[in-house]
Amino acid sequence: LAKTTQPISMDSYEGQEVNITCSHNNIATNDYITWYQQFPSQGPRFIIQGYKTKVTNEVASLFIPADRKSSTLSLPRVSLSDTAVYYCLVGDLGDKIIFGKGTRLHILP
Amino acid sequence: EAGVAQSPRYKIIEKRQSVAFWCNPISGHATLYWYQQILGQGPKLLIQFQNNGVVDDSQLPKDRFSAERLKGVDSTLKIQPAKLEDSAVYLCASSSLSGGVYEQYFGPGTRLTVT
Repeated sequence: LAKTTQPISMDSYEGQEVNITCSHNNIATNDYITWYQQFPSQGPRFIIQGYKTKVTNEVASLFIPADRKSSTLSLPRVSLSDTAVYYCLVGDLGDKIIFGKGTRLHILP
Repeated sequence: EAGVAQSPRYKIIEKRQSVAFWCNPISGHATLYWYQQILGQGPKLLIQFQNNGVVDDSQLPKDRFSAERLKGVDSTLKIQPAKLEDSAVYLCASSSLSGGVYEQYFGPGTRLTVT
């Protein structure tokens, strides 16, 4: 399983765009990149998943360069309610996934 | 659609006692997972079921933890006897592959405190 590295914590302000980068140098050919969000006292929630280039949904965008050794989760115009832990996960669809410590994002007013 | 249900939400027990957690996955989801999440860490997979068969239980402390998924739907996770280090949130999740996207749906978790 590919190991991921992401910042332990980040601060940003309401209304800003937030980009969280994840490194996964040993990503395998069949691996996808998935991001989850977790609020206190809740289970993680799926945000977005991609294999290459760019994926966008109503919540976020995921940018994956050609070498796929890193990826960036982009959250447009964050609000206080986006304060959470964000996990970057790499693995083949349906395979076991390993959560790291994630990135604690703190949005300031 | 209804989400993943778990009960109880909170449990306090003394060390060496036993405890059981229950999970009802989303209808139709064949794969079910149990995770342990210690404060400040990401969830750690304990066991993965595909229908009522175990796919992966490599990180389940089998001397004290057991899990079953009868009839491939509901699941129970049991700890007997509990240790102080078992204090954590126990999360259940089920998964689906739809439209080329593989997503795990998590329940609210059971917060276990062992004193």
